[in-house]
Amino acid sequence: GQQLNQSPQSMFIQEGEDVSMNCTSSSIFNTWLWYKQEPGEGPVLLIALYKAGELTSNGRLTAQFGITRKDSFLNISASIPSDVGIYFCAGLGGGADGLTFGKGTHLIIQP
Amino acid sequence: DGGITQSPKYLFRKEGQNVTLSCEQNLNHDAMYWYRQDPGQGLRLIYYSQIVNDFQKGDIAEGYSVSREKKESFPLTVTSAQKNPTAFYLCASGTSRTQYFGPGTRLTVL
Repeated sequence: GQQLNQSPQSMFIQEGEDVSMNCTSSSIFNTWLWYKQEPGEGPVLLIALYKAGELTSNGRLTAQFGITRKDSFLNISASIPSDVGIYFCAGLGGGADGLTFGKGTHLIIQP
Repeated sequence: DGGITQSPKYLFRKEGQNVTLSCEQNLNHDAMYWYRQDPGQGLRLIYYSQIVNDFQKGDIAEGYSVSREKKESFPLTVTSAQKNPTAFYLCASGTSRTQYFGPGTRLTVL
């Protein structure tokens, strides 16, 4: 099965900086989901996107569903230490099938 | 308290043994899923079930088996045929619009 192309693989930033990460695919998805995972835990859903062009916010997080339905990005504004973790994008083609995941973006924040 | 529970949190297995990982959900979701995560990798789909008594293979089903006798439960058996079973296993439940994950089981083969 395919995996999504997620970049960057890791980010080292200063507290207070904005963060941007993205995912691209060769296939069209009907739904894009963004998750955050902390060590030894399951992924936690951050944002869900259901419509091409949709822009959705959740606090300091903003995500967009690309117009072509083959990409999505996630922005985090004014990063804080608790934002540290691995962020995954995931695409859902249709129905209740399994998700296709990117390999994750590892966010590291230096105080 | 609604959610997905997985047990055990840590599991150690000797080579050649079968082990079963538990997953229970009380979110009333019809669909349940098992994923495998290796270090530095995204999650890969092992099996999924969209309804009781029915399930489909995912991308990496070889060496694994599942059952879905109840809506709330979707246990995963890692058989001795799985050549590299050491990994973090994640169960999820969901709909056509989203999926929620349990806390995971870390399986180590000794």
